[in-house]
Amino acid sequence: EAGVVQSPRYKIIEKKQPVAFWCNPISGHNTLYWYRQNLGQGPELLIRYENEEAVDDSQLPKDRFSAERLKGVDSTLKIQPAELGDSAVYLCASSLGGRQSSDTQYFGPGTRLTVL
Amino acid sequence: AQTVTQSQPEMSVQEAETVTLSCTYDTSESDYYLFWYKQPPSRQMILVIRQEAYKQQNATENRFSVNFQKAAKSFSLKISDSQLGDAAMYFCACRTSGSRLTFGEGTQLTVNP
Repeated sequence: EAGVVQSPRYKIIEKKQPVAFWCNPISGHNTLYWYRQNLGQGPELLIRYENEEAVDDSQLPKDRFSAERLKGVDSTLKIQPAELGDSAVYLCASSLGGRQSSDTQYFGPGTRLTVL
Repeated sequence: AQTVTQSQPEMSVQEAETVTLSCTYDTSESDYYLFWYKQPPSRQMILVIRQEAYKQQNATENRFSVNFQKAAKSFSLKISDSQLGDAAMYFCACRTSGSRLTFGEGTQLTVNP
């Protein structure tokens, strides 16, 4: 069974440029997460989708970040315009879904973004 | 909201020996799960082991086991017969029902040949 797929693996852009990341979750997983991981820290949630609905986006900087999950499968996270402080690893994760604490998340390989 | 603390930024172990990584957490909920994830240089977060708060028996997965002390809110990970491939950043995490998965700061494990 394929795991969570993300692309690209690496991205280097100039500040003020736009950038987009793509994620394909594990088949059958209804919940999809985007995390940002700064160097030497644990991941922090940006947004969580239940199917195509964003149910937790309180940590998403909405002035420059946007996300979508059309048809409740693949998802795209966009930054426009990028700032130097956006350099980080962006992780996508998926889970079967539900509010129970046992709902386990499985992660993709991440995209390392460098903003120059 | 829950908090997770890993007080050991770095640990090292000799190949084939045993190492224990510490984690403490805090939550007011009674229903929660605890997780250990491994993140090698490839960056992919890999689930190592998980523990349900209601279960008193410590979880075990091959060479990985936990010491779950509920009253002390402690959840340490023991790696036996350490291998070079175990070298990675290890994150402890906690999730209560309906809430986010909260991660600790991580412990960088080095395995010396």
